[in-house]
Amino acid sequence: EVQLVESGGGFVQPGGSLRLSCAASGFTFSGYEMNWVRQAPGKGLEWVSYISISGSTIYYTDSVKGRFTISRDNAKNSLYLQMNSLRAEDTAIYYCARELRMNYWGQGTLVTVSS
Amino acid sequence: QSVLTQPPSVSAAPGQRVTISCSGSSSNIGNNFVSWYQQLPGTAPKLLVYHNNQRPSGIPDRFSGSRSGTSATLGITGLQTGDEADYYCGTWDSSLSEVVFGGGTKLTVL
Repeated sequence: EVQLVESGGGFVQPGGSLRLSCAASGFTFSGYEMNWVRQAPGKGLEWVSYISISGSTIYYTDSVKGRFTISRDNAKNSLYLQMNSLRAEDTAIYYCARELRMNYWGQGTLVTVSS
Repeated sequence: QSVLTQPPSVSAAPGQRVTISCSGSSSNIGNNFVSWYQQLPGTAPKLLVYHNNQRPSGIPDRFSGSRSGTSATLGITGLQTGDEADYYCGTWDSSLSEVVFGGGTKLTVL
């Protein structure tokens, strides 16, 4: 059974940092591209970042460029999102999702940025 | 303001059919595959349709997708109260080099 489990969310002050993790199981993680998608409270879905199978191709939405870094460790079956210079508008549930079609999603981890 | 445009809400009676539209441009829907997602209250999104009209295993054929030009449509037949959810379209935008989503459509089954 495919499972994606996010962790690392929490409460942080503006300007702070967090590192999210997504642990994958039930499939060959190294064979699939991955994404981070977020959803602010009461709002719609917003794609954040994409990473290819090898990690050689990476994309970000404009609002996080220069602040967020996506990475993966295929040996550990894990996806990461390093978030720096956090802003109030980054407050959201962060989901990891497999492939561009996003056929599997984790349960999400809540990030709250507030003073 | 979302790159893809969806109606904020749709409603229909149980057993009826409803369609949800998703309008974009040549840089997204017009030249890339469209996916549709269902998000039940308090849960993560779930893939309903990919590659414009393909259903993942386990998704009933009451759900269907289509694409014409720069628009896509999700159809749901035999509506059930359990179908009440938010529905999102999504695709790759070749100009932005980003995945783009519609703003979401809330389905109410009256």
